[in-house]
Amino acid sequence: KQEVTQIPAALSVPEGENLVLNCSFTDSAIYNLQWFRQDPGKGLTSLLLIQSSQREQTSGRLNASLDKSSGRSTLYIAASQPGDSATYLCAVRGGKLIFGQGTTLQVKP
Amino acid sequence: GAVVSQHPSWVICKSGTSVKIECRSLDFQATTMFWYRQFPKQSLMLMATSNEGSKATYEQGVEKDKFLINHASLTLSTLTVTSAHPEDSSFYICSARDGTEHEQFFGPGTRLTVL
Repeated sequence: KQEVTQIPAALSVPEGENLVLNCSFTDSAIYNLQWFRQDPGKGLTSLLLIQSSQREQTSGRLNASLDKSSGRSTLYIAASQPGDSATYLCAVRGGKLIFGQGTTLQVKP
Repeated sequence: GAVVSQHPSWVICKSGTSVKIECRSLDFQATTMFWYRQFPKQSLMLMATSNEGSKATYEQGVEKDKFLINHASLTLSTLTVTSAHPEDSSFYICSARDGTEHEQFFGPGTRLTVL
């Protein structure tokens, strides 16, 4: 059974810092891995999708990496801004899309 | 990306009543749709998977007679919470994709409050 773990559960940083969010998964037989953002009380916003054959994806200040063999992914956020404050969810798709518990990020002005 | 809509975005109902939530794929044909549930400060938990024209597959612990799912067309799935109780209050999110290896797209969610 696939299990997805995200560390840390919460993170508070000053504006401008670069930061890394971690995601690990137990079963490496996956189609893809996706990072989402969720604002309080809202739905999901897809940030990056990495196919199993890819090593990384970039979008603006975001960079996500995937190491399938070790069951790990990281989301790198450069030059963080207060508007980046949200919960970040990692989800892994084998047969089903399984979510981690999320990392709640607070970026202080 | 593709767009998935949900209606209503929020609903308040009395205990014992039934509530229907609609999920539509607006610009693609969704061969498979998913229903998730999210409690406050928790992650999304998959409730069921439905393929167009066939019965939904429910995850362990999800009561199929309580959460009725219908996927009658390639653009519409509905979730009916029957005889709702306060413990059913939650954020319900649907998702859809148009192929086995394709990306899943998520709706904006429906907040259900049962009084």
